[in-house]
Amino acid sequence: EIVLTQSPGTLSLSPGERATLSCRASQSVSSSCLAWYQQKLGQAPRLLIYGTSSRATGIPDRFSGSGSGTDFTLTISRLEPEDFAVYYCQQYGSSPTFGQGTKVEIK
Amino acid sequence: QVQLVQSGAEVTKPGASVKISCKASGYTFTYYAIHWVRQAPGQRLEWMGWINAGNGNTKYSQKFQDRVTFTRDTSANKAYMELSGLRSEDTAVYHCARGGTVTYLDLWGQGTLVTVSS
Repeated sequence: EIVLTQSPGTLSLSPGERATLSCRASQSVSSSCLAWYQQKLGQAPRLLIYGTSSRATGIPDRFSGSGSGTDFTLTISRLEPEDFAVYYCQQYGSSPTFGQGTKVEIK
Repeated sequence: QVQLVQSGAEVTKPGASVKISCKASGYTFTYYAIHWVRQAPGQRLEWMGWINAGNGNTKYSQKFQDRVTFTRDTSANKAYMELSGLRSEDTAVYHCARGGTVTYLDLWGQGTLVTVSS
């Protein structure tokens, strides 16, 4: 099983600031099989990024993804109030797994 | 409207079984797989497996394969997840989600809380 480790656990930032979230895999992940989701309290996850860097339908361009191999990054260029949430990475190979999440909170 | 709507919360006892439904609307049900993902309190999302809504093929996570069964009813555009031998550690929110068989999950149900308590 591929274990995904996200860092930091919590990111305290102000609106307008840049957020950089990391996802590290225990073994190499195909770049076509890495996604990011946003989850707000009491809601279902929402797909943000798939294939490492492709934005899902309706996702604003302040969200971007990058990386390869075992190291992947989600960047939010300028935080909007609605972006404060928990973010999960996922590898969706034959046995999908998720990271433990990064909480982006208002500083 | 493209959506997945799940059945309501369940409270059940250890050793029992629970069956959750997931109704799809706004898209062709049989073109996709339905995945099941659970989230226990304070834990990460955990993939349980998928059912191909078109042909009924299934794939289960090794962790759950002895206790979980996925079915679907194409006439009702519904998928079902049944988990047996429930224990307290199965207390979680269970989500259905749309995807391929090896793809991201682009549409999620609202989640169903299952509470296992004696």
